[in-house]
Amino acid sequence: DAKTTQPPSMDCAEGRAANLPCNHSTISGNEYVYWYRQIHSQGPQYIIHGLKNNETNEMASLIITEDRKSSTLILPHATLRDTAVYYCIVRVGGSSYKLIFGSGTRLLVRP
Amino acid sequence: KAGVTQTPRYLIKTRGQQVTLSCSPISGHRSVSWYQQTPGQGLQFLFEYFSETQRNKGNFPGRFSGRQFSNSRSEMNVSTLELGDSALYLCASSLVGQGAGVNSPLHFGNGTRLTVT
Repeated sequence: DAKTTQPPSMDCAEGRAANLPCNHSTISGNEYVYWYRQIHSQGPQYIIHGLKNNETNEMASLIITEDRKSSTLILPHATLRDTAVYYCIVRVGGSSYKLIFGSGTRLLVRP
Repeated sequence: KAGVTQTPRYLIKTRGQQVTLSCSPISGHRSVSWYQQTPGQGLQFLFEYFSETQRNKGNFPGRFSGRQFSNSRSEMNVSTLELGDSALYLCASSLVGQGAGVNSPLHFGNGTRLTVT
């Protein structure tokens, strides 16, 4: 599975959009991009995933560049409860599930 | 629908002892994975089970083992505990391997925090 690179930390103001970047320049054609987040003392929570098209759900939007070498997770209106570590992961879709977590981005939402 | 349930939530053991952790997946999920999280190494994959068979294994010593039962519930066991085994152990379940669930996300429990003294 391809490696990902994320900034170690970011912050944004409550109510503003949080844009979290991820670089996955070695991604291959059949690898998906997944985003999870982990709030202190809890298990990681699935946010969204995509292959090449932009995706949106009730939590966030995922923008994947045309060459698929990078992506951005967008939290449209960040709240204090969005303060967490955000992980960007790439994996090949298939029958066996193994996620390789990097260090993630620690997002701090300021009041 | 109930989420992934892990028991116990906290555990304190002594070096050399063994421990068994339990995980109940989301109803209908047959894939169960285990991860170890430590401050130094982050989240690391231990193993994955599907229909009582281990499908994938991470790079951990043989002291770490697991199994899955016919009802998809899973247990992991760590024998001859070492101080370095102190960690948060996370279980996750998924529909992966069940036809349409090939890209289904993992759903994690809140973990068992193991402290080895």
